[in-house]
Amino acid sequence: QITLTESGPTLVKPTQTLTLTCTFSGFSLNSSGVGVTWIRQPPGKALEWLALIYWDDDKRYSPSLKNRLTIRKDTSKNQVVLTVTNVEPVDTATYYCAHRAAWSTVFDYWGQGTLVTVSS
Amino acid sequence: NFMLTQPHSVSGSPGKTVTISCTRSSGSIGSHPVQWYQQRPGSAPTAIIYEDNLRPSGVPDRVSGSIDSSSNSASLTISGLKTEDEADYYCQSYDTSNWVFGGGTKLTVL
Repeated sequence: QITLTESGPTLVKPTQTLTLTCTFSGFSLNSSGVGVTWIRQPPGKALEWLALIYWDDDKRYSPSLKNRLTIRKDTSKNQVVLTVTNVEPVDTATYYCAHRAAWSTVFDYWGQGTLVTVSS
Repeated sequence: NFMLTQPHSVSGSPGKTVTISCTRSSGSIGSHPVQWYQQRPGSAPTAIIYEDNLRPSGVPDRVSGSIDSSSNSASLTISGLKTEDEADYYCQSYDTSNWVFGGGTKLTVL
């Protein structure tokens, strides 16, 4: 059974760096084709894709946020970490991580999300 | 970059059929697969259609997806509406390693 759990701070001050961790089980990020992605959703608004990392350490970023995002994996801990630099109140959102199936482009398993508020 | 445009809201009565559209702004709708996600209040999204028209295990066959090259759009159709279908629905596709979600459609079952 695949599960993903997001963790990180609930409150971050403007200009700080936000670090979020996705801890997963039920699959290996060493398996060909597998990926883990981050998606966020501001309160009452739509989903926004942020970044994705593949089993081979290939990384993809949202063009609009590329300069502020870094994604990395720690396969020994079954974790994927996303950092967002220089946060602003508009970065307030629920952040989700999800599993990208090796056999499809779908994000087939999602974590429950973690709400991050950016405020002074 | 491209955008996916969805209607803000749709509604239907129990037992009826509703269709939600998702129009791609640039690039062919058929060039990359389209997924659909359902999100109930307070919950994470779940995939209900992948690769344009395939249903994950557990999704009933009254849920279907299609694409139309002439309008460069994808559609999600839910027939035999139930109150449990009331949720937000998002389409998603990608291009040159950029994954894009539509703005979401709120389905109200009257």
